[in-house]
Amino acid sequence: NAGVMQNPRHLVRRRGQEARLRCSPMKGHSHVYWYRQLPEEGLKFMVYLQKENIIDESGMPKERFSAEFPKEGPSILRIQQVVRGDSAAYFCASSPGRVETQYFGPGTRLLVL
Amino acid sequence: QQQVKQSPQSLIVQKGGISIINCAYENTAFDYFPWYQQFPGKGPALLIAIRPDVSEKKEGRFTISFNKSAKQFSLHIMDSQPGDSATYFCAAREGSTLTFGKGTMLLVSP
Repeated sequence: NAGVMQNPRHLVRRRGQEARLRCSPMKGHSHVYWYRQLPEEGLKFMVYLQKENIIDESGMPKERFSAEFPKEGPSILRIQQVVRGDSAAYFCASSPGRVETQYFGPGTRLLVL
Repeated sequence: QQQVKQSPQSLIVQKGGISIINCAYENTAFDYFPWYQQFPGKGPALLIAIRPDVSEKKEGRFTISFNKSAKQFSLHIMDSQPGDSATYFCAAREGSTLTFGKGTMLLVSP
């Protein structure tokens, strides 16, 4: 049973470009969460999605960031017009239900030059 | 404001010793307290978790102690091994959202 998959594992973008991060949840999991981890910091919640719905986006920056979890395919975290401050590790987690244990993927490390 | 405070920031323990990491919270709506272990370049992996109606939970060498009245919980790693060297995060859940502490970098010396 494969775990949470994220790709790419590393992503380099120049300022002003777009970054697209993908997350495939564990089999049987329909709830996806995105977290951001800055160097030497804990993980910060960004957004919680269920298939085709955004349930909670209270941790998402108001501009440039968006997330989706379509009926088919992976969840996507999209960052438009990246800035250096967006450089971080972005982790996706999934769970089978709303208050079940969250299992994390290996993360995507975004570097903005 | 930091909702989950974790200490110490780093910890060095000799092989065979006990590692203790502490966390404190303010939000009484938290209803689930997991600990995650993270190795460099990897994602956090669930280690052990506890609910607030239980004061202690033990799984192998790992024990969570929970003090609801003090709003504190701690992770004890007994017989610490070099392979336990990693960053440990406590977390607390409200609804479906996890709030993490800043992490403790544990080094177990051989």
